[in-house]
Amino acid sequence: GALVYQYPRRTICKSGTSMRMECQAVGFQATSVAWYRQSPQKTFELIALSTVNSAIKYEQNFTQEKFPISHPNLSFSSMTVLNAYLEDRGLYLCGARDDSQNTLYFGAGTRLSVL
Amino acid sequence: GDSVTQTEGLVTLTEGLPVMLNCTYQTIYSNPFLFWYVHYLNESPRLLLKSSTDNKRTEHQGFHATLHKSSSSFHLQKSSAQLSDSALYYCALRTYGGSGNKLIFGTGTLLSVKP
Repeated sequence: GALVYQYPRRTICKSGTSMRMECQAVGFQATSVAWYRQSPQKTFELIALSTVNSAIKYEQNFTQEKFPISHPNLSFSSMTVLNAYLEDRGLYLCGARDDSQNTLYFGAGTRLSVL
Repeated sequence: GDSVTQTEGLVTLTEGLPVMLNCTYQTIYSNPFLFWYVHYLNESPRLLLKSSTDNKRTEHQGFHATLHKSSSSFHLQKSSAQLSDSALYYCALRTYGGSGNKLIFGTGTLLSVKP
């Protein structure tokens, strides 16, 4: 079946440092990967949508300079949170899209804490 | 713009009673796709249901929902709540645009089922 592995599950970083999270799709081709953030007491906010062989589209309030994303093939994507601060805390989810099933499969999330 | 509104906050039910979580949406597209995701603690958000054609009921794992374009709704229902149904439920709308296909999520409803 289709699975999405996301790691690390949890990470703590010092304020001003950076951390990278990765997402691996298994069992299907992830033509597009969406990265979401769930801040405390909020719903899922889309950070960016990455489609293989296309430019990565960032939502308002999110930039490539802050959240650089790599999507080199149909099974892998990574995102880095640069210069993390308290407002970057939350659960980051990658969602990999299986076009053949019209379904977005999520990873388990990376919970980021910032000290 | 496109948006999703769902029952907010906490819904507490006694085991055995029916479940109804409301979801309404706004979109300019005449053929919307709606989804319900369920998010158990420490797990990936998982697709529970996706909409079919107008007025057609879709079912999975005891839950069902019907897309009603006339009322822009896709309410989640279950005839009898189980303790294991306690989780966060998100309604989502698939949107289309210059940034590609993406999901817009509602704020989430926490369902708590008690004995």
